[in-house]
Amino acid sequence: EDQVTQSPEALRLQEGESSSLNCSYTVSGLRGLFWYRQDPGKGPEFLFTLYSAGEEKEKERLKATLTKKESFLHITAPKPEDSATYLCAVQLYGGSQGNLIFGKGTKLSVKP
Amino acid sequence: NAGVTQTPKFQVLKTGQSMTLQCAQDMNHEYMSWYRQDPGMGLRLIHYSVGAGITDQGEVPNGYNVSRSTTEDFPLRLLSAAPSQTSVYFCASKGIGEKLFFGSGTQLSVL
Repeated sequence: EDQVTQSPEALRLQEGESSSLNCSYTVSGLRGLFWYRQDPGKGPEFLFTLYSAGEEKEKERLKATLTKKESFLHITAPKPEDSATYLCAVQLYGGSQGNLIFGKGTKLSVKP
Repeated sequence: NAGVTQTPKFQVLKTGQSMTLQCAQDMNHEYMSWYRQDPGMGLRLIHYSVGAGITDQGEVPNGYNVSRSTTEDFPLRLLSAAPSQTSVYFCASKGIGEKLFFGSGTQLSVL
């Protein structure tokens, strides 16, 4: 069975305290791995797509990396506005390109 | 651009009632889909469509119907609501690129 597991479920950081979120996956054929950000009461918002092991992408204080079994979302010197739930999702070969399998998310809180 | 618009934002139903959740996008995207989000679970795919007149089932389709008569609209119908369908529902669309664009969600409670 295709599975996406995110850890930790929740993470509390002080402003400026860097850390990483983990997304491990067990799937039949990975086409792409996605990271989304979700604020309370809103829909998920696209952050990154990674397609091959070793690939890295950056956006402001966020950097996403991919290995053959997992992805990390590194947050450098976070600010309170980075507080949100971060969702990881995978896209598989053989299915419609829009269909994603999501993890349960990591809820990040950054305190000033 | 409005993006993906969902209505209503909130809805309370009694068991056995029917209703339609509306979703419209103005980006001329061929692909549209519906997900549900429950506490402690990831987003799960209900139904999807790769173009007008084409729909298919996702992971959790039971109790839901869809149709796609236009590129812009993809309504989700609950024919006989059950308490197990209490959830937050998200509509999403995708064009040629990799991004999936989500609406702001409909919070549904079935009593």
